[in-house]
Amino acid sequence: EDQVTQSPEALRLQEGESSSLNCSYTVSGLRGLFWYRQDPGKGPEFLFTLYSAGEEKEKERLKATLTKKESFLHITAPKPEDSATYLCAADQIQGAQKLVFGQGTRLTINP
Amino acid sequence: NAGVTQTPKFRVLKTGQSMTLLCAQDMNHEYMYWYRQDPGMGLRLIHYSVGEGTTAKGEVPDGYNVSRLKKQNFLLGLESAAPSQTSVYFCASSSTGGVQPQHFGDGTRLSIL
Repeated sequence: EDQVTQSPEALRLQEGESSSLNCSYTVSGLRGLFWYRQDPGKGPEFLFTLYSAGEEKEKERLKATLTKKESFLHITAPKPEDSATYLCAADQIQGAQKLVFGQGTRLTINP
Repeated sequence: NAGVTQTPKFRVLKTGQSMTLLCAQDMNHEYMYWYRQDPGMGLRLIHYSVGEGTTAKGEVPDGYNVSRLKKQNFLLGLESAAPSQTSVYFCASSSTGGVQPQHFGDGTRLSIL
C-alpha cells in the first residue's frame, strides 16, 4: 500500500535553532515528492517539487532533499514566521496527479 | 489574482440535510480535486476531475457526489449529511504536462450536528 509518513508530529524550536523534518514514503513509481506549508485556517501552499534521488531545492531558510526512501526539509536559523504545519505528498500515478499526503509536522519557532 | 476560491467558508448542517460546496479556479487548469482534512489523518482525496465533464473517485468517495460542468468550477455535494462528514474540505487544481503542483483553496469548514 502506498504510504507517506512524516516525523516528528510536532517540533518546537528556539529562533535560530536549525533542524530537519522527515518524510518517509513507500510509493511505487514515484514521479515527484512535494512539500507544502499550511498556516492555521488556510490551504496548503506549495513550496517544492523533488523528482529524483539526490535532488535538492532551496528557498530562503528551507532546503528540501530527496533519497530513494525519504525526503528531508531542513530549516536553517528559523524565525517565528516559519511556524506552520509542513506537509509532504507523493505523486503516485500517471494522468491526474493523485497525491498521497503525510499527516504533517507542526513546527513552532519560539522567539 | 484569486487562484482557487471556495464557498462557503463555514457551514453548519443537521444530519440528513444536503448541501453543495463550490470551487472555482481562474488559472485555466485541467485537473481539479476535492480533499478532506481530519486531525491525524492528513489530506484524503474524495473525488477528482481530469477535465470538463469528467469525474473520478478518489480514496474516500462514499457519501459524496461531484460535477464538473464548466472547466473552472468543481462542485462537491453531500446528499444526506452525516456527523462523520464533519471535516475541513479543500479544493485544489493543477495543470497538465508532467508533474505539476496542486494549488489549494483556503477550505470550507463543515460541521454536521
